[in-house]
Amino acid sequence: EPEVTQTPSHQVTQMGQEVILRCVPISNHLYFYWYRQILGQKVEFLVSFYNNEISEKSEIFDDQFSVERPDGSNFTLKIRSTKLEDSAMYFCASKQGFSNTEAFFGQGTRLTVV
Amino acid sequence: TQLLEQSPQFLSIQEGENLTVYCNSSSVFSSLQWYRQEPGEGPVLLVTVVTGGEVKKLKRLTFQFGDARKDSSLHITAAQPGDTGLYLCAGASYTGTASKLTFGTGTRLQVTL
Repeated sequence: EPEVTQTPSHQVTQMGQEVILRCVPISNHLYFYWYRQILGQKVEFLVSFYNNEISEKSEIFDDQFSVERPDGSNFTLKIRSTKLEDSAMYFCASKQGFSNTEAFFGQGTRLTVV
Repeated sequence: TQLLEQSPQFLSIQEGENLTVYCNSSSVFSSLQWYRQEPGEGPVLLVTVVTGGEVKKLKRLTFQFGDARKDSSLHITAAQPGDTGLYLCAGASYTGTASKLTFGTGTRLQVTL
């Protein structure tokens, strides 16, 4: 069964360092998302991406964040200068169609900023 | 800002009992989805409800979407230890070419023997 894969599963980084979280969405999907979940809190929307551009972003997604689809398969989230409060599980998701279609989530990357 | 409140936050019951989890919002959503999340993993979709008043059944799980499409419930009949997990509701909203899910606060269910 096709699935969304994320790497790495766990990343530890020092405050101020740049990190890139990688995702391989399901191959025929057109809509891509990043969500995050701080420990003990709810899953929060970060950004949606379609047709090689951001279609919506949340207040969390400030100038320190960027997304890219550098080739036909990968979808990356970059945090330019990590802060302690960026520590969270980051989930990538993809959808085939626009409305009322299932969003498939990856297993997540646990980012720990020290 | 769209918010989804789930209740209860925590639920510990014995095997064989029935339970209902509620998901409430002041906002209208195009559809509402229920996910289950295991520790250290991503949410896995259980069901999507689209039409106000819609009821969907998935084995022992019954999902209902409120008539006004602002609330939903998940009812589990004869709970089993395998039902233990975090249950999340999520409302789908659309703006132009953008769509996103707004997740609820979650209900952590523990089913004991």
